[in-house]
Amino acid sequence: KAGVTQTPRYLIKTRGQQVTLSCSPISGHRSVSWYQQTPGQGLQFLFEYFSETQRNKGNFPGRFSGRQFSNSRSEMNVSTLELGDSALYLCASSFDPSGTSGINEQFFGPGTRLTVL
Amino acid sequence: AQTVTQSQPEMSVQEAETVTLSCTYDTSESDYYLFWYKQPPSRQMILVIRQEAYKQQNATENRFSVNFQKAAKSFSLKISDSQLGDAAMYFCAYRSAGPGGKLIFGQGTELSVKP
Repeated sequence: KAGVTQTPRYLIKTRGQQVTLSCSPISGHRSVSWYQQTPGQGLQFLFEYFSETQRNKGNFPGRFSGRQFSNSRSEMNVSTLELGDSALYLCASSFDPSGTSGINEQFFGPGTRLTVL
Repeated sequence: AQTVTQSQPEMSVQEAETVTLSCTYDTSESDYYLFWYKQPPSRQMILVIRQEAYKQQNATENRFSVNFQKAAKSFSLKISDSQLGDAAMYFCAYRSAGPGGKLIFGQGTELSVKP
């Protein structure tokens, strides 16, 4: 089985622009979560989607948004980019067949490195 | 709100020796899950071990084991027979039971392994 894939792997944008990151989960996985990793703030949860619905949301401004498609692929969008948005964005997928999560493992993708100039 | 604290920013161990990484957490919930993730220089997060809070028995996975002390809210990771490939950033993470995949991570411990 192919692992979680994220595209693009690297991205350079300027302040004020917007960006869309993509995540393709492992086949059969219905849950997709997004995390932001920075040296200062560490790993922070952005949001989670399950069956095309946002199930959980972290404490990020409304400039950060996401969605999930019927094939479980997910995208996250950041509008009006700020220098502080420079980070590694990680996507993780989980099988979660019952929708109750349980101790189902989250499998992480390699991340998208976003640099905002 | 739940928090996870890793008090050791860096640790070092000699190859073939044993090392213990510390993690404490704060929660008012009684049912939850705890995880240790490894992030090597490639940045690929890999699950090392997991523990369900309702299970008293400590989880083990080959050379990796945990010491789970629920009352003390402590969840340490022991790596036995350390190998060069164990060098990485290690993150302790908490997740509430019930629907939802939100992981709350500690700040991480960077482990170096000396040959």
